[in-house]
Amino acid sequence: DTAVSQTPKYLVTQMGNDKSIKCEQNLGHDTMYWYKQDSKKFLKIMFSYNNKELIINETVPNRFSPKSPDKAHLNLHINSLELGDSAVYFCASSGGFKNIQYFGAGTRLSVL
Amino acid sequence: AQSVSQHNHHVILSEAASLELGCNYSYGGTVNLFWYVQYPGQHLQLLLKYFSGDPLVKGIKGFEAEFIKSKFSFNLRKPSVQWSDTAEYFCAVNLNTGNQFYFGTGTSLTVIP
Repeated sequence: DTAVSQTPKYLVTQMGNDKSIKCEQNLGHDTMYWYKQDSKKFLKIMFSYNNKELIINETVPNRFSPKSPDKAHLNLHINSLELGDSAVYFCASSGGFKNIQYFGAGTRLSVL
Repeated sequence: AQSVSQHNHHVILSEAASLELGCNYSYGGTVNLFWYVQYPGQHLQLLLKYFSGDPLVKGIKGFEAEFIKSKFSFNLRKPSVQWSDTAEYFCAVNLNTGNQFYFGTGTSLTVIP
């Protein structure tokens, strides 16, 4: 069973569209994250939720809105997509006695 | 602000060469340390971790890392690399007090057969 799963794996869309990426974890973790990895492989934290509550919100345009319906899910909605949003977006979760992050397979977003 | 530095951005080695990738962090408190590997087109996978105890930790695929507290370093090593080790390597630090993870900018390793 996949521990952290995100859908879709690939997303190709036009500028100006609105899209969502879903993430689910079955590890029982309390904390979930969204990261953006650009073409240079830099990994940048975007958001973190702990038990459905936002705890980290880095400098991200407000076109990006995370939503956590429960602690096993953290979805990312992006409004008015721009070319610069093209990247790979990774979901992750962490928890347990020792904090280890587990990553999803990534969603490759291409904005045309 | 906390930061994690990986000074080697691109490393190219021949098979069987030894590897050492540097990682330094800036936080003075208690930390948990990690190395993640990202194979081409894949997600990040945990390679090894340090929480406490023996500062020399061993991970999967023959990798090891040494925590040197006085130097705020957690360098990754492998005595003999293989072509299949070609990947991006990320060092990460988690402050013992919270949920935030700080990642280095990554090191791209290319192993030439």
